[in-house]
Parts: sequence; structure tokens; C-alpha cells
Amino acid sequence: AQSVTQLDSHVSVSEGTPVLLRCNYSSSYSPSLFWYVQHPNKGLQLLLKYTSAATLVKGINGFEAEFKKSETSFHLTKPSAHMSDAAEYFCVVPVRRGGGYQKVTFGTGTKLQVIP
Amino acid sequence: EAQVTQNPRYLITVTGKKLTVTCSQNMNHEYMSWYRQDPGLGLRQIYYSMNVEATDKGDVPEGYKVSRKEKRNFPLILESPSPNQTSLYFCASSLFGGITDTQYFGPGTRLTVL
Repeated sequence: AQSVTQLDSHVSVSEGTPVLLRCNYSSSYSPSLFWYVQHPNKGLQLLLKYTSAATLVKGINGFEAEFKKSETSFHLTKPSAHMSDAAEYFCVVPVRRGGGYQKVTFGTGTKLQVIP
Repeated sequence: EAQVTQNPRYLITVTGKKLTVTCSQNMNHEYMSWYRQDPGLGLRQIYYSMNVEATDKGDVPEGYKVSRKEKRNFPLILESPSPNQTSLYFCASSLFGGITDTQYFGPGTRLTVL
């Protein structure tokens, strides 16, 4: 069975410092992996996705993530946090149901706080 | 503008009073899905639909119904709501529901059942 673990429920960083949000997955095959962001009182928005192409994936707003099969990780990073990055971030593993459709497993989320 | 819309955005109701949350997308997507979000649990899938007249249960379908009579609409029905269905609900759509497809989410419906 596929699953995803977000290792930190809350992360706090100072504005201008690096961001690291951790995600580990378990999968019996090379999965697709997504990061979504949810700003307060908003729906979820795609940040970036890995789909078996380049292992270093660049997303919107300066975020990137590296797929590391040996570590079963897909950590999200940003070199310099901005106040507007304060949000909740979800790591997502979609897996194939019968017929090829998605069953989507969400991590429990990491709330990022950015301190001025 | 490509979007998923949900209505209402906020709803307070009482136990047992039937309600419907509407969801509509304008991207001609085949796949649509409903999730509920609860603190500490992330998002859990309630039902999904592969195309018109094709729906299936997700992880937490109990107490919910859906229908897909048109491609653009995917309403969520609570026939007899209970307090444990108090939650934040999201509708989402993707092109075909494949494992590399991006999902597009609506803004959410916050439901309180008293």
C-alpha cells in the first residue's frame, strides 16, 4: 500500500531564511508525487509535481523538491522564505486504482509560519 | 477563467436536515472528486467520478451520496447530516484522473452540523 508521511506538523522560520518541509513516502514502485499549498481560507493549489522525469522539480514561488528514491523522500525546499509563504503544505501520493484512476493519499499537512 | 466553484461556502445546519453542496468545473475535466479536511487528518476522499454516470466510493463514503449527470457538475448530498460530518469540504477535478494529473480544487465549503 502507498502512504505518505509529513514529518513535521508545524515549521517556523524567519523571513529570508531557508525552508525545509519533509515528506517520506512508501510505494512499491516509483510513484508520482505532488506538493500542494493551502493558504488560509483558500482551496489547495499545485506547487509542483514529480512524474518520473527529472528528480529535481521546480515549482511556483521559488519552491523546489528533490525525489530521492534511495531515501523514499520528496522534501520541499525554498532558499529564502517570504511572508506570503505562510500556509499549510500537503505532500500527496496518487496511486492507481483499477481502471487507472487515482486514489489520492494526502499527508497530514505541515503548517509553515514565517516570522518577520 | 478556469476554475472549480462550490456553493455554499459556509453552511450551518441541524442534524437530519438534508443538504446539497454543489460543485461545478469549467475545464471539461472527466474526473471529479470530493474530499473532507479535518485537523490532523489531512484530506480524505469521500467519492470520486471518472465521467458522467460513473461514480465510486473513496475512503470515507458513509453518510454521503453523489451524482454525476453532467460532466461539469458533481453535487455532494448529505441526506441526514450528523455532527460528525462537521468539516471542511473540497471539490476537485482533473483531466482524466490519471496518477500524473494535477487536481484543481474549489475554495471549500465549511459545514457545521448542530
